[in-house]
Amino acid sequence: AQTVTQSQPEMSVQEAETVTLSCTYDTSESDYYLFWYKQPPSRQMILVIRQEAYKQQNATENRFSVNFQKAAKSFSLKISDSQLGDAAMYFCASKVGGGSNYKLTFGKGTLLTVNP
Amino acid sequence: ETGVTQTPRHLVMGMTNKKSLKCEQHLGHNAMYWYKQSAKKPLELMFVYSLEERVENNSVPSRFSPECPNSSHLFLHLHTLQPEDSALYLCASSRGTGEYGGNSPLHFGNGTRLTVT
Repeated sequence: AQTVTQSQPEMSVQEAETVTLSCTYDTSESDYYLFWYKQPPSRQMILVIRQEAYKQQNATENRFSVNFQKAAKSFSLKISDSQLGDAAMYFCASKVGGGSNYKLTFGKGTLLTVNP
Repeated sequence: ETGVTQTPRHLVMGMTNKKSLKCEQHLGHNAMYWYKQSAKKPLELMFVYSLEERVENNSVPSRFSPECPNSSHLFLHLHTLQPEDSALYLCASSRGTGEYGGNSPLHFGNGTRLTVT
């Protein structure tokens, strides 16, 4: 069974600054995928970034990047130049490679506040 | 505008009521999901439909009854609910259920906020 742990229930950042959200996971599989989803007040969960475990290079999507430490089973999300629209709940999730989406495991989430 | 639309946005119902949640996707996906989101808990997968057939039922109580009449529509029929069923119910869809890799990300709707009184 997979587990995903987000140890920070809440985080805050000043607009234009950088913040890092933590995520650790536990899996016995060697092939898996990791995701960060964002849920703004509109409640719609949106995929922010995705990382394949077999790729050593950290995924990047504009201002969002990850620090994937496979040996440590750590998958943190870095948001650079934070904007007010980044305020949301952020969920880390994992899935076994070749596994179905119904084996997607979510963490409890981190509430990010962006201060003007 | 989301490709996955959920109605109603809010629902308050008594424990003896019968109501239904509706989800519609306009993305051409063939897999649809119901998730339950409670405060301070991870998302809980309830049901999965692939090509209109139920492929996953995560030990959900029978007071929740899903229905998938076609690949674009998904319903969750509710009856004799309990107060602890109050939560945000999220619908999602994907192109396939992702068995062949992570290339079938979930697309979520805005959810229905359900309150059981």
